[in-house]
Amino acid sequence: DTEVTQTPKHLVMGMTNKKSLKCEQHMGHRAMYWYKQKAKKPPELMFVYSYEKLSINESVPSRFSPECPNSSLLNLHLHALQPEDSALYLCASSQASANEQFFGPGTRLTVL
Amino acid sequence: RKEVEQDPGPFNVPEGATVAFNCTYSNSASQSFFWYRQDCRKEPKLLMSVYSSGNEDGRFTAQLNRASQYISLLIRDSKLSDSATYLCVVTLYGQNFVFGPGTRLSVLP
Repeated sequence: DTEVTQTPKHLVMGMTNKKSLKCEQHMGHRAMYWYKQKAKKPPELMFVYSYEKLSINESVPSRFSPECPNSSLLNLHLHALQPEDSALYLCASSQASANEQFFGPGTRLTVL
Repeated sequence: RKEVEQDPGPFNVPEGATVAFNCTYSNSASQSFFWYRQDCRKEPKLLMSVYSSGNEDGRFTAQLNRASQYISLLIRDSKLSDSATYLCVVTLYGQNFVFGPGTRLSVLP
């Protein structure tokens, strides 16, 4: 199984809402990532979890809160987002950092 | 200077053509190199890792030139389905992916 799954596929939320994005992999990978991608731009790294511990936070605003409940799951909790946070949010996993990463299909988020 | 640079294109080529993309990186300590392709509104998918000796996978050939700090991707006999954005990725030891801005390819009938 070389698949990374993400839910939901699409999400529309208001600026006062609280929502969560979910990501799952069953490849036994020990590193998991959240990226944000705007149109016509490459993915931008947000967070890295290595062995279920947060190892990198790329100066992401606190309205984004990651969580890694176990080695297969990664969540991104969203609260009080801004319209400019609208983007494609991609989850990825890899055997270890610097190895090839496998991406999920993403959640397309719209903040109204 | 950006860490990873690519010609954004677009490259518009006819079916059957050979097309080459280059990617340059600024940090000589970079360790791992990859090419990903991304279709419109889809996730990036690994196309191939790039090894020091160069590697080939069917119509695709990747080369690494450490002295000049660039990697290349050659696509032979282009197909319509090769139309996508090609992302160059570089990592430092133990660090995470640094994406290039991507090169857009359109293969025309």
